[in-house]
Amino acid sequence: SQTIHQWPATLVQPVGSPLSLECTVEGTSNPNLYWYRQAAGRGLQLLFYSVGIGQISSEVPQNLSASRPQDRQFILSSKKLLLSDSGFYLCAWEKGSASYNEQFFGPGTRLTVL
Amino acid sequence: AQSVTQLDSQVPVFEEAPVELRCNYSSSVSVYLFWYVQYPNQGLQLLLKYLSGSTLVKGINGFEAEFNKSQTSFHLRKPSVHISDTAEYFCAVSEVTGGFKTIFGAGTRLFVKA
Repeated sequence: SQTIHQWPATLVQPVGSPLSLECTVEGTSNPNLYWYRQAAGRGLQLLFYSVGIGQISSEVPQNLSASRPQDRQFILSSKKLLLSDSGFYLCAWEKGSASYNEQFFGPGTRLTVL
Repeated sequence: AQSVTQLDSQVPVFEEAPVELRCNYSSSVSVYLFWYVQYPNQGLQLLLKYLSGSTLVKGINGFEAEFNKSQTSFHLRKPSVHISDTAEYFCAVSEVTGGFKTIFGAGTRLFVKA
């Protein structure tokens, strides 16, 4: 069966510090991968998606970047965090060959920028 | 491009009462529709999905939803809720020919009271 991992689970970082959040998927190959941010009391904002190694699409101009160095690894990064980067970050995957877009979510990382 | 509107940000209800969470979508093409549930500090889990066929879709935990094409709605219902149903519920839409984007609504917080 497929599983998706995210770490760390929680993170407290000062403004201006770098960020690296990792997401890995097991039990499937060539998945589509997604990063979402969920701000307090708000819905999901799609940040990045990837359909293959090295292929990243950005949905919203911002202080963040994403990379996919391996088929089942998706990394969210920042060089300098802002207060507004605080939130709950969710990684999700879907079958790359699926004819419909059912997504499977990781447990999330709660980021607090102070 | 598609869009999703969840008409209620919060729905308080007493235990064992029925509940309906409303969702309307907008799209110029055929769509797939989803309901996800998010328990506190966790990722999202799929409750049910509509791809084609019968407009009444049954999901996990006793939930069901009805696709109404003429009203562009996909409301979620449960005849009798439990305390454990307290969570955030997200409606999502994906265009059949839309590639890799699933758009999520802002969420409805269901609060079940004893």
